[in-house]
Amino acid sequence: GDSVTQMEGPVTLSEEAFLTINCTYTATGYPSLFWYVQYPGEGLQLLLKATKADDKGSNKGFEATYRKETTSFHLEKGSVQVSDSAVYFCALHPTGTASKLTFGTGTRLQVTL
Amino acid sequence: DTAVSQTPKYLVTQMGNDKSIKCEQNLGHDTMYWYKQDSKKFLKIMFSYNNKELIINETVPNRFSPKSPDKAHLNLHINSLELGDSAVYFCASSQGQPGNTIYFGEGSWLTVV
Repeated sequence: GDSVTQMEGPVTLSEEAFLTINCTYTATGYPSLFWYVQYPGEGLQLLLKATKADDKGSNKGFEATYRKETTSFHLEKGSVQVSDSAVYFCALHPTGTASKLTFGTGTRLQVTL
Repeated sequence: DTAVSQTPKYLVTQMGNDKSIKCEQNLGHDTMYWYKQDSKKFLKIMFSYNNKELIINETVPNRFSPKSPDKAHLNLHINSLELGDSAVYFCASSQGQPGNTIYFGEGSWLTVV
């Protein structure tokens, strides 16, 4: 079945450091890929998405590129801020008619001054 | 205006009770979902409704019964609550083709004591 694997957290960085959160997936066909973010005590918000190979999703300084050859969708940001501290979820939506997101286990990011 | 709203946000109740969580979306979407997030932050789909019809039911105990009176509402009723039901329940919605963005509510924190 479909699955998403994220790097284990927590990830602790100093402000202005470079961020990478790895995400790989297993799915048939060409799924759509998403990153969602959950700030402390809040719900899930869509951060960015990509719907086909080589697409790059970007938002709020975050980027991720859909790599079909490596089945990856790594999240990157050049300079993190304390306000980026949150849990980040990679997710895929498979091809087909039934709408269902499959999530990774989430990666907690803690940014310190 | 809140796009996907769910009530209550917090709910503390005793084992054996029956409770409901309500969800409404004002996005005009045709598909609604319930997701469960456990204590380790793992997110998993429970149900999906398209145009008021159940299309996904992911091995959820039959103590959980979703009800969709119309396309804009999807309520979750839970009978005979158990300690293991303690979690955050997220309502969500999307429109049209699989792969379109799924928008989440802010979550309902259920604690069973």
